[in-house]
Amino acid sequence: SAVISQKPSRDICQRGTSLTIQCQVDSQVTMMFWYRQQPGQSLTLIATANQGSEATYESGFVIDKFPISRPNLTFSTLTVSNMSPEDSSIYLCSAEGSGTGELFFGEGSRLTVL
Amino acid sequence: AQSVSQHNHHVILSEAASLELGCNYSYGGTVNLFWYVQYPGQHLQLLLKYFSGDPLVKGIKGFEAEFIKSKFSFNLRKPSVQWSDTAEYFCAVILDNTDKLIFGTGTRLQVFP
Repeated sequence: SAVISQKPSRDICQRGTSLTIQCQVDSQVTMMFWYRQQPGQSLTLIATANQGSEATYESGFVIDKFPISRPNLTFSTLTVSNMSPEDSSIYLCSAEGSGTGELFFGEGSRLTVL
Repeated sequence: AQSVSQHNHHVILSEAASLELGCNYSYGGTVNLFWYVQYPGQHLQLLLKYFSGDPLVKGIKGFEAEFIKSKFSFNLRKPSVQWSDTAEYFCAVILDNTDKLIFGTGTRLQVFP
């Protein structure tokens, strides 16, 4: 299994600012992903964080708004840029356990934008 | 576009009642199927998964799910629910041509003692 730690766990931010969420995995993993869970909705994949190369974004998400870093096999960051109240959501980091096909999730970062 | 549908958005049961949560996907190829659970205030956890073999899969805490390929379904069942099963349940699919996990809309289960 993989244990995933995210920080911050929650934050309240002002419109127009940016926030970076950190994700640390306790073991080396190939695949890391960032999801968003908006209030009352399911999880939507934002992007796949690729180690050593640019992240792969899903339709509706762009690098300028959600820049992602993946400097090594255990760590990734997601930045939510120029925030608006519509960005209020829970952001989740996940990683695939080696060879298991199973995704493990962090506890999420609850972001509120005023 | 490929999608995952969970028809029950909110289910309310009494303890000891039987549970079945529906999950259907729209994709004609090979799929890997999952049920995740999110207890209040906790992170997502895997309940069970199906990759191949016996289409009846048993997971943790007495849950099971049956993959019916002809119906594109992977319904979750439990014969007797407990108050501690109160949670949000998500069906999810990985398509054979991607590495991405696609989630259903989720079902909120409330179990009353």
